[in-house]
Amino acid sequence: QKEVEQNSGPLSVPEGAIASLNCTYSDRGSQSFFWYRQYSGKSPELIMSIYSNGDKEDGRFTAQLNKASQYVSLLIRDSQPSDSATYLCAVNGRGSSASKIIFGSGTRLSIRP
Amino acid sequence: DVKVTQSSRYLVKRTGEKVFLECVQDMDHENMFWYRQDPGLGLRLIYFSYDVKMKEKGDIPEGYSVSREKKERFSLILESASTNQTSMYLCASSLFDRPYGYTFGSGTRLTVV
Repeated sequence: QKEVEQNSGPLSVPEGAIASLNCTYSDRGSQSFFWYRQYSGKSPELIMSIYSNGDKEDGRFTAQLNKASQYVSLLIRDSQPSDSATYLCAVNGRGSSASKIIFGSGTRLSIRP
Repeated sequence: DVKVTQSSRYLVKRTGEKVFLECVQDMDHENMFWYRQDPGLGLRLIYFSYDVKMKEKGDIPEGYSVSREKKERFSLILESASTNQTSMYLCASSLFDRPYGYTFGSGTRLTVV
């Protein structure tokens, strides 16, 4: 079992709709959760971080965390063509590697006009 | 604006050459990381460092070494480049005691011929 799992996609969403990206993780001790956006040929860019159960909103983005289910999600409202990218879910490691982040392999999102 | 700077955007080297990839951050971060990213394999951790002169192996350290003589600089060394080391190399940094997320450099696309 991978430590951080994501559906690789592609996920195709019409412009203006809500895009929903999901991620599960295996380590119950994880404390910090991140979503990165990566455009083709570019490096990952941190767009959301969440540390406690519930929802966290930032503009059109909402991160959701459910530690009991070991589940993290990212919602993108009013999807735009510029949101087309690969989205990486990431989770902090445990113990002495608490500062190390484990990345999922990413979900490719395509927003169709 | 905080930055992680990688010395080269594109690099072409010959098989057997010794290759140096340089990374400099101006955020006074303790942690620095080197990843490689390949299609279908996601981000794979090569080496990381928690402090000057400290280093730890990541998931795929074979064929690589690192050097951290100053806090702001973390170098990745390919001792004898091989074609299977053709990849996108990403440097990242973060604060020590809690991962607020990494800041990535722009990446170096290395081709070994």
